[in-house]
Amino acid sequence: EVQLVESGGGVVQPGRSLRLSCAASGFTFDDYAMHWVRQGPGKGLEWVSRISWNSGGIDYADSVKGRFTISRDNAKNSLYLQMSSLRAEDTALYYCAKDRTGGGSYLFDYWGQGTLVTVSS
Amino acid sequence: DIQMTQSPSTLSASVGDRVTITCRASQTIDNWLAWYQQKPGKAPNLLIYKASSLESGVPSRFSGSGSGTEFTLTISSLQPDDFATYYCQQYKSYSTFGQGTKVQIK
Repeated sequence: EVQLVESGGGVVQPGRSLRLSCAASGFTFDDYAMHWVRQGPGKGLEWVSRISWNSGGIDYADSVKGRFTISRDNAKNSLYLQMSSLRAEDTALYYCAKDRTGGGSYLFDYWGQGTLVTVSS
Repeated sequence: DIQMTQSPSTLSASVGDRVTITCRASQTIDNWLAWYQQKPGKAPNLLIYKASSLESGVPSRFSGSGSGTEFTLTISSLQPDDFATYYCQQYKSYSTFGQGTKVQIK
């Protein structure tokens, strides 16, 4: 059974940093691209970032480019999102999502339950 | 950037009703369109991909159609478990979601 478990969320002041993690199990992690997708309180879904199976392909939404860094450790079956210069508008539930392919089709076939990030002074 | 627009934003229906949700893309996305269902407090769940392909395990009362810029999700006979919010997503160029359609009890 595919499982994705996010952690690392919390309350952080504007301008500070936070690192999210996603532990994957139930599939061959290094065969698939992975993504972060977020959902603001009471809002819709926004794709944040993609990383290919071997970290050779990385993309970011314009809203986080230059502030967020995605990475993965295939030996640990883990995905990460380093978030810096956080803003109030980054407040959201952050989901880890598995891609259907290794390079990244942007089709998300499994999702974690999310970790909540609140940016507030 | 490709924008996705869903309609309606909210839909009131009864068990057994046939329900249709529309999604429009701001430019052609061929058939690179997916539909997700999200229940309160839960993660989205993939229902349909490539506009009309049913994801494994998803009931056959769900179907998708369309290509280019106009797409629909149809639930042939609404069941109690189907009251949820539905999102379309284009994945031709990165990923963009529609704003969601909440299907609520009439």
